[in-house]
Amino acid sequence: QSALTQPASVSGSPGRSITVSCTGTSSDVGTYNLVSWYQHHPGKSPKLMIYEGNKRPSGVSNRFSGSRSGNTASLTISGLQAEDEADYYCCSYAGSRTYVFGTGTRVTVL
Amino acid sequence: EVQLVESGGDLVQPGGSLRLSCEASGFTFSSYAMNWVRQAPGKGLEWISYISRSSSTIYYSESVKGRFTITRDNAKNSLYLQMHSLRAEDRAVYFCARDAGYGDFDSWGQGTLVTVSS
Repeated sequence: QSALTQPASVSGSPGRSITVSCTGTSSDVGTYNLVSWYQHHPGKSPKLMIYEGNKRPSGVSNRFSGSRSGNTASLTISGLQAEDEADYYCCSYAGSRTYVFGTGTRVTVL
Repeated sequence: EVQLVESGGDLVQPGGSLRLSCEASGFTFSSYAMNWVRQAPGKGLEWISYISRSSSTIYYSESVKGRFTITRDNAKNSLYLQMHSLRAEDRAVYFCARDAGYGDFDSWGQGTLVTVSS
């Protein structure tokens, strides 16, 4: 199972919106609308931001949203804030209780 | 408060073995499936193993299948990863993660570092 493809970096100014893409295949993203997104500050534990494609856990800002089209899932962060600067990873269910993560995207707030 | 605390990471020689532990608290451990995820230095997250609530279902990534074994002891609220035939490429921070659904890893430990070097 190959890693899902994400852009290495995405940047945006405070208050603007950015979108991070996550491209998989018909064996994972394209078949299962079970993509989750994680925020990871280096040296800390990853944090679940979106699950099952577009659901937010309790306590996660509604500035974070998820979507999917075909084999590509997306994470949108609106009203970008300095605290959003981190690495973001998508993760898709790939059948039989196996999972595949994305390559990771460094989000920079300009 | 949900807490997951990994331990057991160490420096080990290529071909060696190591056992990682993950102690859970703040929730009913036996009600959740668990996973191990690792991150090599400068690399992304990699899922490596899943175990169901009762240990009846276990899966591994191809990169560790046949070398690593995941187990759990619900009476001790603990998850384990037995690693054999370690390779340089197994060097990573290993996280345990609670599985709230199909890939909804809603709680993570702080990680434990495994270094494989002679």
